[in-house]
Amino acid sequence: QVQLQESGPGLVKPSETLSLTCTVSGGSISNYYWSWIRQPPGKGLEWIGYIYDSGRTSYNPSLKSRVTISVDTSKNQFSLKLSSVTAADTAVYYCARDGLFPDGNFDYWGQGTLVTVSS
Amino acid sequence: QSALTQPRSVSGSPGQSVTISCTGTSSDVGNYKYVSWYQQHPGKAPKVMIHDVSKRPSGVPDRFSGSKSGNTASLTISGLQAEDEADYYCCSYAGTYNFVVFGGGTKVTVL
Repeated sequence: QVQLQESGPGLVKPSETLSLTCTVSGGSISNYYWSWIRQPPGKGLEWIGYIYDSGRTSYNPSLKSRVTISVDTSKNQFSLKLSSVTAADTAVYYCARDGLFPDGNFDYWGQGTLVTVSS
Repeated sequence: QSALTQPRSVSGSPGQSVTISCTGTSSDVGNYKYVSWYQQHPGKAPKVMIHDVSKRPSGVPDRFSGSKSGNTASLTISGLQAEDEADYYCCSYAGTYNFVVFGGGTKVTVL
């Protein structure tokens, strides 16, 4: 059974960089697309971006200038960096597996981690 | 503002059917067969209930069904049960540039 677990600071100061890591267990990170998705408190879901095991990435155009997603296949992990954060970036951040093709069929999700942007 | 439009809430009595609509454009829902639906209970991660417009993953009850017509996709829950009370989000592939877009979510209430 594939499991995903997000980790990283729960509090980030405005203008700083949010950094999260997703550790995949129970299966290989290879040959799949992996995404970050966020949900502000009381609001809907927003796709942030994906990475393939080769390192190929795609980002939400609204966040593209601030987002970097990377992968470490040796550790079965992928990571998110979001720079110049503001209060609007406060959200629960989820990592999720898409599949063999990035079509939005997210079949495995992490439990989510709340990141609050505040001084 | 979400890219896909969903009603904010729908409700029904146990045993009844409810349908949630998800309206997009010819750049997403109308152009691809990749529409998925997610169920989210409070404090939990979303769970895929339908993918590829109408396919049910293993373990999802067959009272959940999906369809699409033009730029609008729909999720129908037949034989509504108490545990179906949750938020539901639609999601559509939107091409290699936008990748995926979500709807704003619909709260399903079982009366």
